[in-house]
Amino acid sequence: DAQMTQSPSTLSASVGDRVTITCRASQSISNWLAWYQQKPGKAPKLLIYKASTLESGVPSRFSGSGSGTEFTLTISSLQPDDFATYYCQQYNSYSEHSFGQGTKLEIK
Amino acid sequence: QVTLRESGPALVKPTQTLTLTCTFSGFSLSTGGMYVNWIRQPPGKALEWLALINWDDDKYYNTSLRTRLAISKDTSKDQVVLTMTNMDPVDTATYYCARGGGGSLVDYFDFWGQGTLVTVSS
Repeated sequence: DAQMTQSPSTLSASVGDRVTITCRASQSISNWLAWYQQKPGKAPKLLIYKASTLESGVPSRFSGSGSGTEFTLTISSLQPDDFATYYCQQYNSYSEHSFGQGTKLEIK
Repeated sequence: QVTLRESGPALVKPTQTLTLTCTFSGFSLSTGGMYVNWIRQPPGKALEWLALINWDDDKYYNTSLRTRLAISKDTSKDQVVLTMTNMDPVDTATYYCARGGGGSLVDYFDFWGQGTLVTVSS
């Protein structure tokens, strides 16, 4: 089963910054990768699936790229509402869905 | 409008069996391609997928927890039930149910319940 590793674990940034979060898979997962945003006390919210497809209603400042084992989530211009924890999730393996350990995006 | 809502006890004792119910609306689990999953998150930690059930009553479990989990559905009530036996304090977590988004066995999750916090303590 593919294990997912996110970096960095914590990211400090300012409103208006462009930020990138990386997710690496221990084996190729093609483009079967999703990204979620989670705020404290709330359920995760789907942002992107199939590595780069934006979920309906998600702002276009979010984008995803990558295939195989390396993927990125980019926020082009941080907004106050974007400070949260972000998780990647692979759905290539039939036996296990697996998530990254999360990246906390903090206000600098 | 798709919604899911988890319900169950907030506190269970070690060795007890946990039973959680996911009540959903806006879709039917008798429709082909529909899946409902259970996922948990210990406080301050990452998400962990637990189990899924589909429209055809196929069931799949997290390999490491397989012997403790059972998932079932009641299509007439639009509910999915998860039981976890032999609860331990390390099972303290927020438990979520979520719908599979792409119609596949292994999938992303497009709609989530709000979660229910289960604490395991004597």
